[in-house]
Amino acid sequence: DVKVTQSSRYLVKRTGEKVFLECVQDMDHENMFWYRQDPGLGLRLIYFSYDVKMKEKGDIPEGYSVSREKKERFSLILESASTNQTSMYLCASSGWAVAYNEQFFGPGTRLTVL
Amino acid sequence: AQRVTQPEKLLSVFKGAPVELKCNYSYSGSPELFWYVQYSRQRLQLLLRHISRESIKGFTADLNKGETSFHLKKPFAQEEDSAMYYCALDSGAGSYQLTFGKGTKLSVIP
Repeated sequence: DVKVTQSSRYLVKRTGEKVFLECVQDMDHENMFWYRQDPGLGLRLIYFSYDVKMKEKGDIPEGYSVSREKKERFSLILESASTNQTSMYLCASSGWAVAYNEQFFGPGTRLTVL
Repeated sequence: AQRVTQPEKLLSVFKGAPVELKCNYSYSGSPELFWYVQYSRQRLQLLLRHISRESIKGFTADLNKGETSFHLKKPFAQEEDSAMYYCALDSGAGSYQLTFGKGTKLSVIP
């Protein structure tokens, strides 16, 4: 069964802290994505990666960075958390061999920045 | 640039009534379109894709290139259909990104 896991379901951090959100997939997928999900704004792509050590900016990369050192793991980093980064963060993966470019999502991490 | 528009943030229907969730897209090529669904406390998952012309959980969606629409329909709504629905577009040509709409929350009233 396809599986995308995220390190935390809920996270509370303080303004200015460095925050790491981890995502792991066990499907040997090439592509991985980080989205934030906000009411009324839908899913917005932050960063994505189509290979190890490769990364591309999405629609809203400001204030975020990513790391992909291994194929199965894609990390989202908030260098200095701010209150406007309070959101639900979703990780997803897809593979070239997967029909129709279907993306498989993790359960999400709800981050609150105080 | 490609864009997906879901004009309704919230749609409420009575159980047994027909449902139509609207989706319009903007893209000059031949897109592939999807509907994703997120039930309460569950992860976002693929519901259906236009290319396979399938019916999932009684839902269907037809791609209308003339109207650039991909509306999701079900003849008789069930309470378990209450969820958040997102329309998504893949521009194709080897792209691996999806462009999502802002979502429509469907509430089925018992």
